[in-house]
Amino acid sequence: SQKIEQNSEALNIQEGKTATLTCNYTNYSPAYLQWYRQDPGRGPVFLLLIRENEKEKRKERLKVTFDTTLKQSLFHITASQPADSATYLCVFFYGQNFVFGPGTRLSVLP
Amino acid sequence: DAGVTQSPTHLIKTRGQHVTLRCSPISGHKSVSWYQQVLGQGPQFIFQYYEKEERGRGNFPDRFSARQFPNYSSELNVNALLLGDSALYLCASSLLVTGSGNQPQHFGDGTRLSIL
Repeated sequence: SQKIEQNSEALNIQEGKTATLTCNYTNYSPAYLQWYRQDPGRGPVFLLLIRENEKEKRKERLKVTFDTTLKQSLFHITASQPADSATYLCVFFYGQNFVFGPGTRLSVLP
Repeated sequence: DAGVTQSPTHLIKTRGQHVTLRCSPISGHKSVSWYQQVLGQGPQFIFQYYEKEERGRGNFPDRFSARQFPNYSSELNVNALLLGDSALYLCASSLLVTGSGNQPQHFGDGTRLSIL
């Protein structure tokens, strides 16, 4: 079955550093991959979408890469701030389903 | 503009009961999807509806059903509730049907369902 793995359950980094989150997928080659942010007790919020033929996509301090050979997407937050602390989810669409990863909980320490 | 709204925000039920959850999409959005999120996990896809028709179904038992109304709002129904149905139920809307994953989804803040 199609599966998404995210690098770790939790990631702690110091304010001002770059956070890098990893999303690996198996048994499928998605045409699109999306990243969402979720705060405790809230619904996920869409951040970025990247197509399979795009190597990289940027939005302000956020950058996403998509390597179809490695079956991997990297999500970077530069100059991280405590307000970036949240759970980050990657997701692709397969058949008629959206397949979400388990999420990585990022904590940015002041 | 209002975002996706879900009601109720919290609900407590007992095993064997039935529950109906409601969702109003963003104005102009015609697609609604439902997800179940257990604590510590990513959302799991239950249904997608577009123009009142079911366009996708996840791996959930027949106790779960949904429908979409002419105004594009939606209901999720769960019968014969089990303890394992305790979760956050999320609704998401998008402008069009998400046939390939190229549509961002806009989520509500969910209904927290607890089964005793």
